Amino acid sequence: DAKTTQPTSMDCAEGRAANLPCNHSTISGNEYVYWYRQIHSQGPQYIIHGLKNNETNEMASLIITEDRKSSTLILPHATLRDTAVYYCIVRTQAGTALIFGKGTTLSVSS
Amino acid sequence: GAVVSQHPSRVICKSGTSVKIECRSLDFQATTMFWYRQFPKQSLMLMATSNEGSKATYEQGVEKDKFLINHASLTLSTLTVTSAHPEDSSFYICSARDGASSGMGNNEQFFGPGTRLTVL
Repeated sequence: DAKTTQPTSMDCAEGRAANLPCNHSTISGNEYVYWYRQIHSQGPQYIIHGLKNNETNEMASLIITEDRKSSTLILPHATLRDTAVYYCIVRTQAGTALIFGKGTTLSVSS
Repeated sequence: GAVVSQHPSRVICKSGTSVKIECRSLDFQATTMFWYRQFPKQSLMLMATSNEGSKATYEQGVEKDKFLINHASLTLSTLTVTSAHPEDSSFYICSARDGASSGMGNNEQFFGPGTRLTVL
């Protein structure tokens, strides 16, 4: 599976949009981009995933560039409860383990 | 949505004892379960993959005789840390794959809440 690169940390003001970038320049055509987050001392929580089209659900939006070499997770109105480590994972095959990198620590403050 | 539970959520044990951690899929059948551990301020590290009814596959550097994994049913996998030592103190997390979900169109893996192990 392709490697991903994320900033170590980001800050966001409560109520503002949080835009978390992820680079996956070696992604191949059949690899999906997944986003998970982990709130302190809890198990990871699935957020969203996509192949090449932009995706939106009740939690977030995922914007994937046309060349698929990078993506951005958007939390439209960040709250204090969105403070967590966000992981961008590229994955080829269903059923295989998710391999976590270091992720981005998002701190939302009032 | 799919729910995965872990028991216990927190355990403290003496050095040299064994500890069993259970991972259950509550509303789906898990053909595959994964075990991770996470040290403070680090990311999740995959330990092993277990398929129901067969032996677990361990990642490089993980001692299979120390971390015994049993996946005897489609809803339960257990991780036993044998002869635990203080360096085994960690946050252990399982995830389960919904066997009824096919392909990549839907998210098919769900994580438990984790078990905090402290070995004195």
